[in-house]
Amino acid sequence: AQSVTQPDIHITVSEGASLELRCNYSYGATPYLFWYVQSPGQGLQLLLKYFSGDTLVQGIKGFEAEFKRSQSSFNLRKPSVHWSDAAEYFCAVGPNDYKLSFGAGTTVTVRA
Amino acid sequence: ETGVTQSPTHLIKTRGQQVTLRCSSQSGHNTVSWYQQALGQGPQFIFQYYREEENGRGNFPPRFSGLQFPNYSSELNVNALELDDSALYLCASSEWDRANNEQFFGPGTRLTVL
Repeated sequence: AQSVTQPDIHITVSEGASLELRCNYSYGATPYLFWYVQSPGQGLQLLLKYFSGDTLVQGIKGFEAEFKRSQSSFNLRKPSVHWSDAAEYFCAVGPNDYKLSFGAGTTVTVRA
Repeated sequence: ETGVTQSPTHLIKTRGQQVTLRCSSQSGHNTVSWYQQALGQGPQFIFQYYREEENGRGNFPPRFSGLQFPNYSSELNVNALELDDSALYLCASSEWDRANNEQFFGPGTRLTVL
């Protein structure tokens, strides 16, 4: 069975500060891992994904994530947050690019 | 290039009724997946259609069914609606045969069951 845990329901960060969102997954084989962002009234947008190779993955909007097999983690980071980064972030795992299992999400609030 | 569109945007139904939600895939995409996102939760995979055939199903009862048409658009049908079916329903399209199979999500249909 595949599952994702996002331990932080809500994070508040100041504009310009760094951001790290945690993701722990459970999967029996080598997983495909994803981070998506969802803004109010919008669909999900893919930030980045990992399925092999370099364990540090670069994505869009200045985000990166690091795959750590020993910790079953895939944490998302951004060095300097912009007000437009306020949104809900979902980590997902799957056997391929489809049939994904998502975490419950982390809401990010950015304060001026 | 037109993105993924879904209709209607919002829908209100009562328990026991049936509902049909529609999804137009992005141009060139032959695969559509449907997800249910309950309030405060992440999306849950319902099923996927590839070239008009169901290609995988999540843990949803048979009253959730779907179709994919020759133009690769898709419908999600839910029979005998229950209160717990209230959710945002997302569809995502992709091109199965490509090396990079990113799914592109539509904005969703918000279904409320009273």
